[in-house]
Amino acid sequence: DAGVTQSPTHLIKTRGQHVTLRCSPISGHKSVSWYQQVLGQGPQFIFQYYEKEERGRGNFPDRFSARQFPNYSSELNVNALLLGDSALYLCASSLERNTEAFFGQGTRLTVV
Amino acid sequence: GIQVEQSPPDLILQEGANSTLRCNFSDSVNNLQWFHQNPWGQLINLFYIPSGTKQNGRLSATTVATERYSLLYISSSQTTDSGVYFCAVDRRDNYGQNFVFGPGTRLSVLP
Repeated sequence: DAGVTQSPTHLIKTRGQHVTLRCSPISGHKSVSWYQQVLGQGPQFIFQYYEKEERGRGNFPDRFSARQFPNYSSELNVNALLLGDSALYLCASSLERNTEAFFGQGTRLTVV
Repeated sequence: GIQVEQSPPDLILQEGANSTLRCNFSDSVNNLQWFHQNPWGQLINLFYIPSGTKQNGRLSATTVATERYSLLYISSSQTTDSGVYFCAVDRRDNYGQNFVFGPGTRLSVLP
């Protein structure tokens, strides 16, 4: 079975641009969460979606938004990119809201 | 919010040595997981262990939820064990999954 897949794996954007990151959960998993990991730190929670509804939001500005589709895949959108948005963005899926989570390989975003 | 501490921050071992990594958390949790982050950034699941003890080959973990800590044991370490080990917890009264990660323990295993 395929694990959590994220696309693209690497991305370079210019300040002020918009970016969309994609995540496909493990088949049958209904919960998707997004995390940001800057160099040298642990991942920070951004959003959780369960059954296509937002169930949790971390301390991130409104430039960050996300959605979950009927097939449970998810997109993370970031508007008006800043240099500080450069990070590894990780997606996790789990069967239910509070069960074991599995992470994708991440999308490494560089803002120049 | 919940605080997660990990110790030691850095650990250097010779191949074949044993080690214990610790995770302390400040509140009751309903989920605790240990991860190994490989050099390419992927978080590899080691244990899902909100309480009790589990073993998987050379690795084992124990969580004492009432005392708010978890331990990860690595025996007979190998160079492939190198990387960063994260503990992540999810609060007991949280409606959904909102992991708080510790700062990690960076392990280097020397040949």
